[in-house]
Amino acid sequence: DIQMTQSPSSLSASVGDRVTITCRASQGIGNSLAWFQQKPGKAPKSLIYAASSLQSGVASKFSGSGSGTDFTLTISSLQPEDFATYYCQQYNSYPITFGPGTKVDIK
Amino acid sequence: EVQLVESGGGLVQPGGSLRLSCAASGFTFSDHYMDWARQAPGKGLEWVGRIRKKANGYTTEYAASVRGRFIISRDDSMMSLYLQMNSLKTEDTAVYFCARSGNYYLDSWGQGTLVTVSS
Repeated sequence: DIQMTQSPSSLSASVGDRVTITCRASQGIGNSLAWFQQKPGKAPKSLIYAASSLQSGVASKFSGSGSGTDFTLTISSLQPEDFATYYCQQYNSYPITFGPGTKVDIK
Repeated sequence: EVQLVESGGGLVQPGGSLRLSCAASGFTFSDHYMDWARQAPGKGLEWVGRIRKKANGYTTEYAASVRGRFIISRDDSMMSLYLQMNSLKTEDTAVYFCARSGNYYLDSWGQGTLVTVSS
């Protein structure tokens, strides 16, 4: 199975900050990586697919990059509605696996 | 607008069975692979399994933790997805989400239904 790790596990940031979250796969997955945002008690929301493609309807402040084993999610200017937990997910091979999540909260 | 609505969750004893349903609307259900994922209380996301579309033989894939106990099925005429859960364990306690697979990643999710396995 492909193991996904994320760093940091949590971070505190202020409104307006630029935030970067890293995701690493235990083996190469090409660009078969997605990012999700989840708020407490809500369903995950797709943000990015194919490592860098923005899901339709998602704000352009979100961007993704990387390929192979190392990936990043960047939020260019953090807004109050962006405080949430972010997960990466690989879909290169079965079983599909998620990272453990990065919780972004208010400093 | 894509809508996915899960139902069927509840309290079940260890060793018991439960069947979850997911009603889909707003897209051509039969054109998509469909997935189940789950989230234990206070924990991260875990993929449960996938069912492919008719053109791919309705074949399935499962996580090792549920293989042999859970069965995913679908009824394209009813635009519905199902998860039959047997031999339930306390560690199966979670919110279960159905999700649409778009280009192999989970692009739309339902709100989830809570399954509690406890005596």
